[in-house]
Amino acid sequence: QKEVEQNSGPLSVPEGAIASLNCTYSDRGSQSFFWYRQYSGKSPELIMFIYSNGDKEDGRFTAQLNKASQYVSLLIRDSQPSDSATYLCAVKNTDSWGKLQFGAGTQVVVTP
Amino acid sequence: GAGVSQTPSNKVTEKGKYVELRCDPISGHTALYWYRQSLGQGPEFLIYFQGTGAADDSGLPNDRFFAVRPEGSVSTLKIQRTERGDSAVYLCASSLDSGGKTQYFGPGTRLLVL
Repeated sequence: QKEVEQNSGPLSVPEGAIASLNCTYSDRGSQSFFWYRQYSGKSPELIMFIYSNGDKEDGRFTAQLNKASQYVSLLIRDSQPSDSATYLCAVKNTDSWGKLQFGAGTQVVVTP
Repeated sequence: GAGVSQTPSNKVTEKGKYVELRCDPISGHTALYWYRQSLGQGPEFLIYFQGTGAADDSGLPNDRFFAVRPEGSVSTLKIQRTERGDSAVYLCASSLDSGGKTQYFGPGTRLLVL
């Protein structure tokens, strides 16, 4: 069983709309949650991290965490063609300070 | 400032050969991580260093893989007797310390084993 699950997509989103990405994780001990963006052929870059239940907003991005449901999501408001990329969910557990466990990623395609 | 750098950017080798992949972290970052990423998958953790020591090597797939960081800065990932299944992008990341929230990734080394 994969520890971090994401829908692979592609998720097609009209320009200006909201993209909603979901991620579930299996380890209840998970403490820190990260969203990375990866353009094709490039390395991952951090968009946001969240530790506490609830919402965290940064510009057009909002991360939502529900530890009881073991669920973390990312909303992208006013989607732009430049948002077209693969979005990786990553989880850090308390038993390893450095190790990130990644999902397979969701491909987002923003259509003009 | 300079980011994480990795060399070579591409490496083609033959099955059974030995390869070394190098990572130069951001200056001052004490934690360094190696991941590998296969097509269509997320990065898979291999090992991380805090300073010179390997703090967690639980992701190394077998004893053909070894990594060092002798002076607490540059790290080398070494793969012996390469197999075709080792073909992937090998990513290195660094952070200020192991509790650091942000791991900054390098551009990766694309390894192809023929």
